[in-house]
Amino acid sequence: GAVVSQHPSRVICKSGTSVKIECRSLDFQATTMFWYRQFPKQSLMLMATSNEGSKATYEQGVEKDKFLINHASLTLSTLTVTSAHPEDSSFYICSANHIEKQGTEAFFGQGTRLTVV
Amino acid sequence: GQNIDQPTEMTATEGAIVQINCTYQTSGFNGLFWYQQHAGEAPTFLSYNVLDGLEEKGRFSSFLSRSKGYSYLLLKELQMKDSASYLCAVTDSNYQLIWGAGTKLIIKP
Repeated sequence: GAVVSQHPSRVICKSGTSVKIECRSLDFQATTMFWYRQFPKQSLMLMATSNEGSKATYEQGVEKDKFLINHASLTLSTLTVTSAHPEDSSFYICSANHIEKQGTEAFFGQGTRLTVV
Repeated sequence: GQNIDQPTEMTATEGAIVQINCTYQTSGFNGLFWYQQHAGEAPTFLSYNVLDGLEEKGRFSSFLSRSKGYSYLLLKELQMKDSASYLCAVTDSNYQLIWGAGTKLIIKP
């Protein structure tokens, strides 16, 4: 099956620093990757859609200068939380669409628990 | 606007059957997904329906009626490990996933 690897799984950082989260499709190519944020007891909130070789599309209310997304290849997208603050503490999850299976199952990474202190 | 509704929380007894409903209003339709999510973990895929009818997969079944904008997830022979959130998601005309808020299922012995 298709595997998406997300790293790191947990990270604690100091307020004001930046954190990079990687999302890799290990055995398939993904033209599109999605970044979600999830607060406790809430559903997934789409932050942005990342397309290989082009700028990410951000959802309304998501600061593009704070959440930098780079989709440099068909197997890697990164999310960088810049100048992190405690309110950025959350569970971040990426998902990828298989290049040959558009519209079918989304494959999720394991998620990253970010804690900003 | 796009909207997906599902109950916030349900409680059921171990060994019983539970049905989790999902209604949706989206811009186009290219399939409906059910995912299971345990606390602190990423969602895991359960089912995908794109045509009307019932899809059965072991203890889990999923039903879709496109004309009614309605789906349900049926869980049989409930086990304690089935305690989790169940997320309904619809792929719209742009193949973007629209997520429901999730249903927290509590299983009691």
